[in-house]
Amino acid sequence: GAGVSQSPSNKVTEKGKDVELRCDPISGHTALYWYRQSLGQGLEFLIYFQGNSAPDKSGLPSDRFSAERTGGSVSTLTIQRTQQEDSAVYLCASRDRGGHSPLHFGNGTRLTVT
Amino acid sequence: AQSVTQLDSQVPVFEEAPVELRCNYSSSVSVYLFWYVQYPNQGLQLLLKYLSGSTLVESINGFEAEFNKSQTSFHLRKPSVHISDTAEYFCAVSEARGSTLGRLYFGRGTQLTVWP
Repeated sequence: GAGVSQSPSNKVTEKGKDVELRCDPISGHTALYWYRQSLGQGLEFLIYFQGNSAPDKSGLPSDRFSAERTGGSVSTLTIQRTQQEDSAVYLCASRDRGGHSPLHFGNGTRLTVT
Repeated sequence: AQSVTQLDSQVPVFEEAPVELRCNYSSSVSVYLFWYVQYPNQGLQLLLKYLSGSTLVESINGFEAEFNKSQTSFHLRKPSVHISDTAEYFCAVSEARGSTLGRLYFGRGTQLTVWP
């Protein structure tokens, strides 16, 4: 597709379960970002990839969060042992060069932990 | 690292009134500046960007933003708003060089609500 694709669009899970969120960036985009958007909290940076490596993972809130990217394309964000405070919209974005090119965002995955 | 401050979390205005959404960032190093807009139930979209050159940049729907290096600001303005401009607006900053070259820092967002 032409844009950044995220799946699922909505995910409801029970506290303590693991979840996997997927992001398909725009073809050819080398940089990929994960952000979390909570009500009233704005956009919280989680991690970014340049190719398959993650030069900056400083935003991951705990060791329950991990992300990987394979083949310089698809990325998965995994949350283990989910907690209610993990409920948020998880946004993925990609861009084709560093610094000056804008991010293209997906529509996000709305995660609800019950 | 940068921090981005959007001073107003909510801005209510009447239709056809002018509006200014404020954005300040923390560092005076060389930066790229962006405004993104998020309409209800949609993802973020780029509204406009400053990379270099003229400090006044415009979008196709009448918004403009001015880069002020001395004040480290990038305020967004529109002389006459429409109801369809109701959305959340995010200011973002990327450093042009250095160890955080790839990272984009966002403000907390400003909810613009336009009333008839």
